[in-house]
Amino acid sequence: GAVVSQHPSRVICKSGTSVKIECRSLDFQATTMFWYRQFPKQSLMLMATSNEGSKATYEQGVEKDKFLINHASLTLSTLTVTSAHPEDSSFYICSATPPGAHYGYTFGSGTRLTVV
Amino acid sequence: GDSVTQMEGPVTLSEEAFLTINCTYTATGYPSLFWYVQYPGEGLQLLLKATKADDKGSNKGFEATYRKETTSFHLEKGSVQVSDSAVYFCALSVNSGNTPLVFGKGTRLSVIA
Repeated sequence: GAVVSQHPSRVICKSGTSVKIECRSLDFQATTMFWYRQFPKQSLMLMATSNEGSKATYEQGVEKDKFLINHASLTLSTLTVTSAHPEDSSFYICSATPPGAHYGYTFGSGTRLTVV
Repeated sequence: GDSVTQMEGPVTLSEEAFLTINCTYTATGYPSLFWYVQYPGEGLQLLLKATKADDKGSNKGFEATYRKETTSFHLEKGSVQVSDSAVYFCALSVNSGNTPLVFGKGTRLSVIA
């Protein structure tokens, strides 16, 4: 149990376009999901906390207008990278956990974004 | 604030060697502790966890014991394999589910045949 599905796994887009990444909890409801960014050979950097039915909480230094997060249902959160630029190229990972349990956080398989 | 400090790599071992990756933490309250593994190009997979002092988490031959007195959660494996080559992250959570994990910087392990 506790599966998180993330799509797409890889995406290449042109500079100036927008890209949407989906994160779904397949077998549990997640009121909270987390979005991370990972640079090559580095640890995960928390970008924002996605809260179902309310606005996301962004970490300091993360542009909320560039990285739009929507958590419209208990099983789906989306991250949209708007007006993407080459410096937005990175590995993006989402995470969630079943509420009220110490199962450990489950991570999506990640999305490799390349902006050309 | 809460933090995790883990041994920085890269670590290179021969197959069947003994592995230890050190991890210590600082936290308010009583955290749950985790080890995650990341294979190239993939997301993170939970390797093992411990939710209270003296608990031992184990999986796939890996073990780690929650040591409150030394605030440590060192990862060990008695005999590594080439397939264990990956990046290992130590992490903690103080409030499971509602707050994000706090990660260490990760340790890259390479196992040579």
